[in-house]
Amino acid sequence: GQNIDQPTEMTATEGAIVQINCTYQTSGFNGLFWYQQHAGEAPTFLSYNVLDGLEEKGRFSSFLSRSKGYSYLLLKELQMKDSASYLCASTDSNYQLIWGAGTKLIIKP
Amino acid sequence: IAGITQAPTSQILAAGRRMTLRCTQDMRHNAMYWYRQDLGLGLRLIHYSNTAGTTGKGEVPDGYSVSRANTDDFPLTLASAVPSQTSVYFCASSDSPVGTSGNEQFFGPGTRLTVL
Repeated sequence: GQNIDQPTEMTATEGAIVQINCTYQTSGFNGLFWYQQHAGEAPTFLSYNVLDGLEEKGRFSSFLSRSKGYSYLLLKELQMKDSASYLCASTDSNYQLIWGAGTKLIIKP
Repeated sequence: IAGITQAPTSQILAAGRRMTLRCTQDMRHNAMYWYRQDLGLGLRLIHYSNTAGTTGKGEVPDGYSVSRANTDDFPLTLASAVPSQTSVYFCASSDSPVGTSGNEQFFGPGTRLTVL
């Protein structure tokens, strides 16, 4: 079957670093997406990985290992505004996105 | 209009009623999508359209229909609403189909629908 797994909730401290993991089992893989969603708002795009390795974009980085079906999102220098849900998504056999349930990140001062 | 808009913002609907959720984008994107988001389940694809004039079924299409008469508009219709269709509905668009291009999807603000 096709499945995306990520932790339900994580807590971190302001200024620290947090890593949110995602494992996937999908057919028709054509890349791994990360989106951010603040409570009551729409998801917004963070990153896209199609090749193995680390993609860095400011305070956020995303890593992909296709052989392991694994990705992570790394957030550095955490700010209170980073409190949100982080959604992992990959493509299915119809080349549409399959989404994980999201990881709710709580930032404490 | 800037980006992608949805209407209404929220709606309470009696079971058995017909309802159309509207979605319009001004980015000239070819692909559009309808998702529902329920607590603990994440986003699930209802229907999609890779280009004007074509539509496809997603993961949870039953009870919903769509049309794509032009590039900008992608309405979602519930023919006879049921309580299990209570959810937050998001419309999204991308320049080309996400699965073949890796293009990011842009989301509308969502419609919160309650079916009683």
